[in-house]
Amino acid sequence: NAGVTQTPKFRVLKTGQSMTLLCAQDMNHEYMYWYRQDPGMGLRLIHYSVGEGTTAKGEVPDGYNVSRLKKQNFLLGLESAAPSQTSVYFCASSLDYLTEQFFGPGTRLTVL
Amino acid sequence: SQQGEEDPQALSIQEGENATMNCSYKTSINNLQWYRQNSGRGLVHLILIRSNEREKHSGRLRVTLDTSKKSSSLLITASRAADTASYFCATVTGNQFYFGTGTSLTVIP
Repeated sequence: NAGVTQTPKFRVLKTGQSMTLLCAQDMNHEYMYWYRQDPGMGLRLIHYSVGEGTTAKGEVPDGYNVSRLKKQNFLLGLESAAPSQTSVYFCASSLDYLTEQFFGPGTRLTVL
Repeated sequence: SQQGEEDPQALSIQEGENATMNCSYKTSINNLQWYRQNSGRGLVHLILIRSNEREKHSGRLRVTLDTSKKSSSLLITASRAADTASYFCATVTGNQFYFGTGTSLTVIP
């Protein structure tokens, strides 16, 4: 039982490049989330999903897209990376919106 | 913003002492949760308190919730060096999760 895993762990991009972050969970959770964490800012919700095939915007969705084609996977895409997207990205999942969230180990992204 | 605010931002104590951190929020909530984050790691859930509960215990953790003041506190008793981490409160309002900015706790052996 791996819980929540994220790929990759680290990535360096140049401005304008694109990439996809992959999140996978094996707990059969309906809800999945993408957050970014910046120093002094806490965690901010980018996008979330309440079930397979659904996505919704969070607090800071601009510049990101997501897809939830399979229940266990939640992908976060950056179409044209900007230095302002340098951050640590965390994926999380939960049974529903009221219960605890389980977090992945994070992806540290640097955009030059 | 519904985002909770933890107080203090940083706290340094000696091993064996108690640590108290506070969280304030702005609108009504379904529940409030506390998480811990060790350096370079993801967040780990510690405890959940529902809006109709006033106090909850889990091991060395004690959480209180005052919905009239829109505030919560987390008490860690008999702290250990391994408790060194950042602690975040998260409020659940509707189907939205909002994390605070965290309290950085250092426990000195």
